[in-house]
Order: sequence, then C-alpha cells, then structure tokens
Amino acid sequence: DGGITQSPKYLFRKEGQNVTLSCEQNLNHDAMYWYRQDPGQGLRLIYYSQIVNDFQKGDIAEGYSVSREKKESFPLTVTSAQKNPTAFYLCASSPRDRASNQPQHFGDGTRLSIL
Amino acid sequence: AQKITQTQPGMFVQEKEAVTLDCTYDTSDQSYGLFWYKQPSSGEMIFLIYQGSYDEQNATEGRYSLNFQKARKSANLVISASQLGDSAMYFCAMREGLLDTGTASKLTFGTGTRLQVTL
Repeated sequence: DGGITQSPKYLFRKEGQNVTLSCEQNLNHDAMYWYRQDPGQGLRLIYYSQIVNDFQKGDIAEGYSVSREKKESFPLTVTSAQKNPTAFYLCASSPRDRASNQPQHFGDGTRLSIL
Repeated sequence: AQKITQTQPGMFVQEKEAVTLDCTYDTSDQSYGLFWYKQPSSGEMIFLIYQGSYDEQNATEGRYSLNFQKARKSANLVISASQLGDSAMYFCAMREGLLDTGTASKLTFGTGTRLQVTL
C-alpha cells in the first residue's frame, strides 16, 4: 500500500545531541512537509519541500535542518540549537498541484523526548 | 491574528446524535481551501473533508458534512450519527492562494477540538 513511513516512533535526545527523524513516502508526491505538534496545540510548519534539492523554511525552522536528495525521502534533523525539542513530529506529503483539493497525507509521527 | 480559530477545546456528544465542530478563518485571498482532519489518540492525521472557496455546494463525505458560510468566514464540521470511534481530536486547516504558482500547498491549522462520544 502507498503511504508515508516515519521512524522511529519514539526517540530520546540527550542534551547537546543532534537527532534525525526519518520520513519516506511511496505516493510519488513532489511536495513534503514537516510539522511540530505540542500538547493542546495545532500543527506548526517547520520546513517544506516542493521538489528534490529544494526546501523552504516554515514558521518555526530555527534549530532544525532538512535535506531532500531523493523524491521519496525528507529527513528532519533536530539540532542542539533547538532548546525545547520535546514534541510530536509529523511528516506529510502532497501532489505539487496547488489548484486542487488534494489533501496532505500524513505519517504516524515520531514522539521526541529529552533525557 | 489567528488564521484558523477553533473556539471549542472539548465537546461531548451522545452516540447516534449529531455534533457540530466550529471553525472560523481569516484570509484576504479569494481562492482558498478548507480541510478537516481527525487525529485519534494514536497520533496519525486522517483527512475527512474538503471545501473550496468557489464551491457552491456544501461538501459532504458520508457522515461528515461541512456547513460553509463564506460571508461569515466559517466552515463548521457536522458529524451525523456519532459513533464511539469518532472520539478524537479534530483540526480545521486552510490552504491559501490556490491560484498562485510556484509555491507549495502549505496548510495553516487551528488548535483543534477534542470530541468525546458517550454511550
């Protein structure tokens, strides 16, 4: 079945450590997104990418980095500069066509905690 | 100003009853789309229904319908015949500037409403 796979499901970070969250999709979508969700809040956009080798900052990009070397993959690195990384992280993808009703499809998320 | 406002942090509904979840939005674009997603306790986001700003009819998908009032900038989700499995967080989201080219289809989310269906 086509879908989005996020791994790991749970991740723990030590102080001063960088960690990378994986996101892989087999939906042949051009656009991919990373969101952060804090308790009691909606999703906030971290980074997004429309095509391979291109990505743009979202609303809360500080302390995060991404790469888009393959269409299927959009990994997110939470760097040591992100002082409050504990959150639920969701990856999504969509066709690039904006003038349509195509929804974003989401993975199952990664829950990141500080040790 | 918030672009998407969901004023109900939590709602209760009895099984088999209908419930309305409120969503108001703020945009100056003429062409935009509104989405509703369901998030069960497991965390995944499930797409429910879409309404385009130029759609003349209110969207419907099975037990879900959207009460779209463009002049009031509201897009309320109506769930009919509630089931226990409907208990979840529900998010309203907006995609703006549908006629613009060259940018990805970013979504702006509200803070969500937690729905609890009771026996």
